[in-house]
Amino acid sequence: DAGVIQSPRHEVTEMGQEVTLRCKPISGHNSLFWYRQTMMRGLELLIYFNNNVPIDDSGMPEDRFSAKMPNASFSTLKIQPSEPRDSAVYFCASSFRGGAGTQYFGPGTRLLVL
Amino acid sequence: AQTVTQSQPEMSVQEAETVTLSCTYDTSESDYYLFWYKQPPSRQMILVIRQEAYKQQNATENRFSVNFQKAAKSFSLKISDSQLGDAAMYFCAYRSARETSGSRLTFGEGTQLTVNP
Repeated sequence: DAGVIQSPRHEVTEMGQEVTLRCKPISGHNSLFWYRQTMMRGLELLIYFNNNVPIDDSGMPEDRFSAKMPNASFSTLKIQPSEPRDSAVYFCASSFRGGAGTQYFGPGTRLLVL
Repeated sequence: AQTVTQSQPEMSVQEAETVTLSCTYDTSESDYYLFWYKQPPSRQMILVIRQEAYKQQNATENRFSVNFQKAAKSFSLKISDSQLGDAAMYFCAYRSARETSGSRLTFGEGTQLTVNP
């Protein structure tokens, strides 16, 4: 079975450019999460969706970040405009809501903003 | 708010030996889930083991087992017969079982495990 799929795996961009990260959750999972990992802040939740609806976006740093989930099999995280401090590894995870709700992570997107 | 603490930034173990990674957490809830994730150099986050707080029996997955002490709010991971492939950063994580608390995972700071041949 395919796990969580993220693209691109690596992204290098210049400050001010728009960046779009993509995620395909595991089929049948109805919760999707976006995390960011940095050395300074560790792993932090940015936003999560249940049944395609954003439930908690309190972790989104600022208005430059936006996330969408137009259907059960696709989500995007967009940064516009990007800044060097956005450089991090961005993970998407999905789970089946209910029970332990174990979250399964994608391979991550390593973003470098110059 | 819940917090998760991993007090050992780095640990090392000899191949084939046993190592225990520590994790403590703080919560006022009685029902929750605890997880250990492994992050090798590839950066992939891999689920190692899961424990439901309502279960008294400690979870076990092959060479990995936990020592769950609910009263002490402690959740340590024991790796037996350590292998070179076990070298990674290990994260302890907490998730509330309450729907109103949401599904977020709260992570510890991580423990970097080195396995020496």
